[in-house]
Amino acid sequence: ETGVTQTPRHLVMGMTNKKSLKCEQHLGHNAMYWYKQSAKKPLELMFVYNFKEQTENNSVPSRFSPECPNSSHLFLHLHTLQPEDSALYLCASSQEVGGGTVNTEAFFGQGTRLTVV
Amino acid sequence: GENVEQHPSTLSVQEGDSAVIKCTYSDSASNYFPWYKQELGKGPQLIIDIRSNVGEKKDQRIAVTLNKTAKHFSLHITETQPEDSAVYFCAASGGYQKVTFGTGTKLQVIP
Repeated sequence: ETGVTQTPRHLVMGMTNKKSLKCEQHLGHNAMYWYKQSAKKPLELMFVYNFKEQTENNSVPSRFSPECPNSSHLFLHLHTLQPEDSALYLCASSQEVGGGTVNTEAFFGQGTRLTVV
Repeated sequence: GENVEQHPSTLSVQEGDSAVIKCTYSDSASNYFPWYKQELGKGPQLIIDIRSNVGEKKDQRIAVTLNKTAKHFSLHITETQPEDSAVYFCAASGGYQKVTFGTGTKLQVIP
């Protein structure tokens, strides 16, 4: 148990569906992230939130919409996805130090295995 | 942007032998190099990290070395055990939470 909980663990959705992924961290961290992990590819950073404010959007298609209502919760809203969006979606959190100039350990959740059919 | 290359993609070793995974990075501004272990069905978990002001760091059977001049860093696992079997990721960052990961090494320790 890393202190970062993701639900659901598995999700199968059609291309016309709308679904949401949920992440909750119990570590008191001030930064949260969404990563995409596809087979044989590096982890891809999608979104970064610092103190509930989005500070990074790595050219992610608009069919992925993040939401961070508070520093402990992070959502990823999904709509009209494509089969190539099938992947493991990982949430992580960390404590930003030094105005962001100092990296600290990121704690990952177990991920949501998403299959788009 | 930063580019991290990791080798090998798969590695099989006999239990008790050593395993070495190597990574190179491109951005000379990177100053933080974490290594993560990902077991089946779990998210990545930090096992060791090193900052640019240090050339080597050790934690029991795990050690990491960093050569800033050559822009490469390596993970060394000694006396490997079956529970070391997992996928290992190296990463590099220059700060501001922008961490670039390698493609991963699947390590198999054969009993």
